[in-house]
Amino acid sequence: AQSVSQHNHHVILSEAASLELGCNYSYGGTVNLFWYVQYPGQHLQLLLKYFSGDPLVKGIKGFEAEFIKSKFSFNLRKPSVQWSDTAEYFCAGRNNAGNMLTFGGGTRLMVKP
Amino acid sequence: DSGVTQTPKHLITATGQRVTLRCSPRSGDLSVYWYQQSLDQGLQFLIQYYNGEERAKGNILERFSAQQFPDLHSELNLSSLELGDSALYFCASSVGDRLGNTIYFGEGSWLTVV
Repeated sequence: AQSVSQHNHHVILSEAASLELGCNYSYGGTVNLFWYVQYPGQHLQLLLKYFSGDPLVKGIKGFEAEFIKSKFSFNLRKPSVQWSDTAEYFCAGRNNAGNMLTFGGGTRLMVKP
Repeated sequence: DSGVTQTPKHLITATGQRVTLRCSPRSGDLSVYWYQQSLDQGLQFLIQYYNGEERAKGNILERFSAQQFPDLHSELNLSSLELGDSALYFCASSVGDRLGNTIYFGEGSWLTVV
């Protein structure tokens, strides 16, 4: 079955620390991969997306992600987190065998000031 | 603001009742998706419509139904509500239904069943 998995359920960092959130997918073939962020009490906002081309994707708010096909991974990174990055982060994917996005379980990030 | 509009934002209703959640997609988007977010199940895909036709079905209960109207807005109908249906229901939209289309989410409708 097609799936997306996020290994870190809760992450606590201090401000200015570097962040890497793991995401693995199980699709074959061409894939679209996304990272969304959900701030407390708010909706899902698109951080970045990978469709094709350069496997290093830059998104909003200083986030980036790297698509590594051989590892079926799409990890999210940020060199220096801020308190305002406290949120839940969702990795999602889809391929040409399915129309809908499949989401990982989410990672709750808490950044301590 | 993603451009996807959902109403109502909050809804409290009793068990056994029926509610309708409404979604207006972004201008020009033909595809609408419904997702349910709950604490125990995470984000679950319910159903997708494309230009008025059902395109994909996920973990949608038989008590739930949806449709997309000619003006492309969509409604999700939830009936015989149970306590476990309490969740945040998201609508999302995209231009098409193929790879390469970004999916944008609305702010969600919080449903509380008491």
